[in-house]
Amino acid sequence: GENVEQHPSTLSVQEGDSAVIKCTYSDSASNYFPWYKQELGKGPQLIIDIRSNVGEKKDQRIAVTLNKTAKHFSLHITETQPEDSAVYFCAALFGNEKLTFGTGTRLTIIP
Amino acid sequence: DAGITQSPRHKVTETGTPVTLRCHQTENHRYMYWYRQDPGHGLRLIHYSYGVKDTDKGEVSDGYSVSRSKTEDFLLTLESATSSQTSVYFCAISVTSYEQYFGPGTRLTVT
Repeated sequence: GENVEQHPSTLSVQEGDSAVIKCTYSDSASNYFPWYKQELGKGPQLIIDIRSNVGEKKDQRIAVTLNKTAKHFSLHITETQPEDSAVYFCAALFGNEKLTFGTGTRLTIIP
Repeated sequence: DAGITQSPRHKVTETGTPVTLRCHQTENHRYMYWYRQDPGHGLRLIHYSYGVKDTDKGEVSDGYSVSRSKTEDFLLTLESATSSQTSVYFCAISVTSYEQYFGPGTRLTVT
């Protein structure tokens, strides 16, 4: 079945450094890959997404890269700030209607 | 939270009782989803709707039913709650099944 693997499960970085979270997916037909940020006690918030016809997308300090051949995509956060501390989830769209999520990465920014 | 409300926000119920969770949107989006979130599993799709009275199963649909009689409301029912259904439940909405926006969640405890 559809599967998305996410690594690492926890990540700690010094404030100002970069953070990278990686995901792999199983279905080569997937064409949409969003990233969500979830703060404690809140619902996941869509922060960036990428479709299969592009290899990279940036939005200020965050970027997502996609390698369709290898079936993996990554989230890059530069110049990290304390407010970046949260749990991040990747996902992939299967069958054009269903998102399958990774198991999450708890990112901690150390002041 | 993108015009999405969930009710109740917290509920404690006993094993064997029926429970209904409500998701209400003010965005007039076509797609609505129910997910559950458990430690170590990320978000898993229970059921989703692609229009009024049009629903389909997700990854973990056993023990759950849904109904959508109006565009704005999507109900999730646990016919006979079990302890394994203790979880945080999130509703999401989407225009096209791509960008999904999540509600604030309902924490359900089955004792």
